Amino acid sequence: GDSVTQMEGPVTLSEEAFLTINCTYTATGYPSLFWYVQYPGEGLQLLLKATKADDKGSNKGFEATYRKETTSFHLEKGSVQVSDSAVYFCALSDDGGGQNFVFGPGTRLSVLP
Amino acid sequence: DVKVTQSSRYLVKRTGEKVFLECVQDMDHENMFWYRQDPGLGLRLIYFSYDVKMKEKGDIPEGYSVSREKKERFSLILESASTNQTSMYLCASILGGQSSYNEQFFGPGTRLTVL
Repeated sequence: GDSVTQMEGPVTLSEEAFLTINCTYTATGYPSLFWYVQYPGEGLQLLLKATKADDKGSNKGFEATYRKETTSFHLEKGSVQVSDSAVYFCALSDDGGGQNFVFGPGTRLSVLP
Repeated sequence: DVKVTQSSRYLVKRTGEKVFLECVQDMDHENMFWYRQDPGLGLRLIYFSYDVKMKEKGDIPEGYSVSREKKERFSLILESASTNQTSMYLCASILGGQSSYNEQFFGPGTRLTVL
């Protein structure tokens, strides 16, 4: 079945550092790919998404490019802030109803001032 | 602004109690989901519903049941709460249809502690 693999955390960075969180997937079809963020004590919020190969999703300074050849969707940010401290989930969907919405295990990011 | 709301942010119950977790969405979404989130295990799907009065088991349905009497409301029921059901519970909804472009919208979560 479909699966999503994320780099192990936690990731600890200093403010203004460059962030990369790796995400790779396996899927039988042509899934859409998503990054969600969960701030402490809250539910998940959509951060960005990409629906086809070579699409780039971006939001709040974060970017991720759908790479079909490497089955990857790595999350990047050029300069992180303390307020970016959260858990980040990579996910895929290969159907419309959400029944095959697969989440990665999450990567906890801590940004120190 | 789209919204998924959950009835409680924090809940403390005793072993053996019947527990109801309520979720309401205002987006007219067909499909709704209940997940539990535990450290190191990520999100695990308990049940989902693709229509009123319809339900399907997810990956970990044991010890849980659900109810969907109205399109906007999806309830998770713990018939007899146990300590191993202490967890964060997340409700989500998604527009139905064939497009895989749609994202899930999540509620704020209910942190349940069973003593």
